[in-house]
Amino acid sequence: DTGVSQDPRHKITKRGQNVTFRCDPISEHNRLYWYRQTLGQGPEFLTYFQNEAQLEKSRLLSDRFSAERPKGSFSTLEIQRTEQGDSAMYLCASSPPMGGGYEQYFGPGTRLTVT
Amino acid sequence: AQTVTQSQPEMSVQEAETVTLSCTYDTSESNYYLFWYKQPPSRQMILVIRQEAYKQQNATENRFSVNFQKAAKSFSLKISDSQLGDTAMYFCAFMNYMDSNYQLIWGAGTKLIIKP
Repeated sequence: DTGVSQDPRHKITKRGQNVTFRCDPISEHNRLYWYRQTLGQGPEFLTYFQNEAQLEKSRLLSDRFSAERPKGSFSTLEIQRTEQGDSAMYLCASSPPMGGGYEQYFGPGTRLTVT
Repeated sequence: AQTVTQSQPEMSVQEAETVTLSCTYDTSESNYYLFWYKQPPSRQMILVIRQEAYKQQNATENRFSVNFQKAAKSFSLKISDSQLGDTAMYFCAFMNYMDSNYQLIWGAGTKLIIKP
């Protein structure tokens, strides 16, 4: 069990640029979540995948955000035309299939700074 | 909609003391999970303890225990014999497992500082 990994750990970009983050869940976990966390706050739910299907998206996920999970393995989160308000920590978490527990296991996060 | 409230933005105790972090939540559901997560400085979120709402017995994990009061919608975390490594942000989180997406609803966190 190598844990949830995220890449990159840090990203600095200029306003208006596109960025893409990657999350690799724990190998046997079929459920995957993206959260956003701003400084001094708890995480906020962005989206949820079960296998390759994106089953839920938060209203926080504007049209500039898109997430994919091809083949039900790793996931990517893309932000187009970044804005300064997008600066945050983006957390990925995974969970085992139903019956395997409800705990979510988190990766180290990707810290995005938009200048 | 469910909400989670942590009323203590920051707490500070001496090493080896016992500390209790408070959490209240609001829900109309009867089946749910509650969690405490720990986020050390610049490190990832780690699950500390979980509680199933249908269980009356309070969960314990070594030095960590909870006081779950379902009627009062209260879920506090007690850390016994606190250690320097317990210094972290602590988040209380709620999950309605009848909800198809199993998302976590989070409190704003409590910053816990353990002083030597």
